[in-house]
Amino acid sequence: GEDVEQSLFLSVREGDSSVINCTYTDSSSTYLYWYKQEPGAGLQLLTYIFSNMDMKQDQRLTVLLNKKDKHLSLRIADTQTGDSAIYFCVVAPGGSYIPTFGRGTSLIVHP
Amino acid sequence: NAGVTQTPKFRVLKTGQSMTLLCAQDMNHEYMYWYRQDPGMGLRLIHYSVGEGTTAKGEVPDGYNVSRLKKQNFLLGLESAAPSQTSVYFCASSLTTDTQYFGPGTRLTVL
Repeated sequence: GEDVEQSLFLSVREGDSSVINCTYTDSSSTYLYWYKQEPGAGLQLLTYIFSNMDMKQDQRLTVLLNKKDKHLSLRIADTQTGDSAIYFCVVAPGGSYIPTFGRGTSLIVHP
Repeated sequence: NAGVTQTPKFRVLKTGQSMTLLCAQDMNHEYMYWYRQDPGMGLRLIHYSVGEGTTAKGEVPDGYNVSRLKKQNFLLGLESAAPSQTSVYFCASSLTTDTQYFGPGTRLTVL
């Protein structure tokens, strides 16, 4: 089955850019998502990209997809303390009901 | 529009007790899911449903049962709780095989 890997922790200074990386194994993955989980809360969709795209930009967020290397990244520009959360990389093959979640990257933003 | 709600928010059980977690969604979504989240493990799928009256096993179904008698509700049951079932449980729903909407979670402790 699908395997999704991401580093567990990332620490950045406020105002810097954050880059969270994710690798996956199933080349048929069609939908690729980033979810954000704030402390004590459920997950919320942050952004997504389809497999026929290389890049998607949404305000401070940039998602890059390298299909050849099966690598997905999320860049947060001008990182703020409010961005401190766990970020999950989620991939799903086309037509599958079952997405696969990475373990989540805890982003810590310090002044 | 409440989205996805979960009842209860917190629960403490003794080993061997039973309980039911309720998930409700008001978005007319076909697909509903139950996950558990443990530290460093990401989210693991327990059971899911692709429509009213249907259920299927996920990655970690042992010790849990589910029912989807009404489209808007998805119930997760623990027949005989064990300490290994101490976790945070999240329900999610989706219209099709795309974005999932998550509930706020239920924190369960089994003593």
